[in-house]
Amino acid sequence: ILNVEQSPQSLHVQEGDSTNFTCSFPSSNFYALHWYRWETAKSPEALFVMTLNGDEKKKGRISATLNTKEGYSYLYIKGSQPEDSATYLCALGGFKTIFGAGTRLFVKA
Amino acid sequence: DSGVTQTPKHLITATGQRVTLRCSPRSGDLSVYWYQQSLDQGLQFLIQYYNGEERAKGNILERFSAQQFPDLHSELNLSSLELGDSALYFCASKPGPPMNTEAFFGQGTRLTVV
Repeated sequence: ILNVEQSPQSLHVQEGDSTNFTCSFPSSNFYALHWYRWETAKSPEALFVMTLNGDEKKKGRISATLNTKEGYSYLYIKGSQPEDSATYLCALGGFKTIFGAGTRLFVKA
Repeated sequence: DSGVTQTPKHLITATGQRVTLRCSPRSGDLSVYWYQQSLDQGLQFLIQYYNGEERAKGNILERFSAQQFPDLHSELNLSSLELGDSALYFCASKPGPPMNTEAFFGQGTRLTVV
């Protein structure tokens, strides 16, 4: 059974703080690692898809890294803003595309 | 707007009943995934179809079934409903293989079983 774990479960930061969270996954039979952003009352939206060990992706103040050999990915947010408040999901790509439980980020103004 | 349409948006029904949730994927997408999100839980993978065929199964109860039709829309059938089936059900679509493409999610159907 594939198990994707995310930590921390939730995070409270002040506006302007930089933050990061972790996604851990089994490193065998790796296809792709996805990050999604999920705002309350909306549906998840894709941030990044990463496939290669050492991949780094960036979109504005958000970036992500991937280590497929040790089975983890980090998501970084630089200078958090209140509008960054959301749940950040990672998912192990494949036919099943298994999601982690998410990290819920609260950014206080 | 992701291009994935789910209907209905809300559904309230009684225990023991049967409901059908519908998903229309993005134009051209061949893969459809169904997920369940219960209170305070993450997205639980239920089942995936590709071009009309079941490709992967997750924690889907025997009381639940799904299918994908020739026009690529999909339906999730939930029967003998129990209170614990109350949840938000999401459908997502992808173009298909390769598996490293992103999924596009519908707005979800909120099912309340009373």
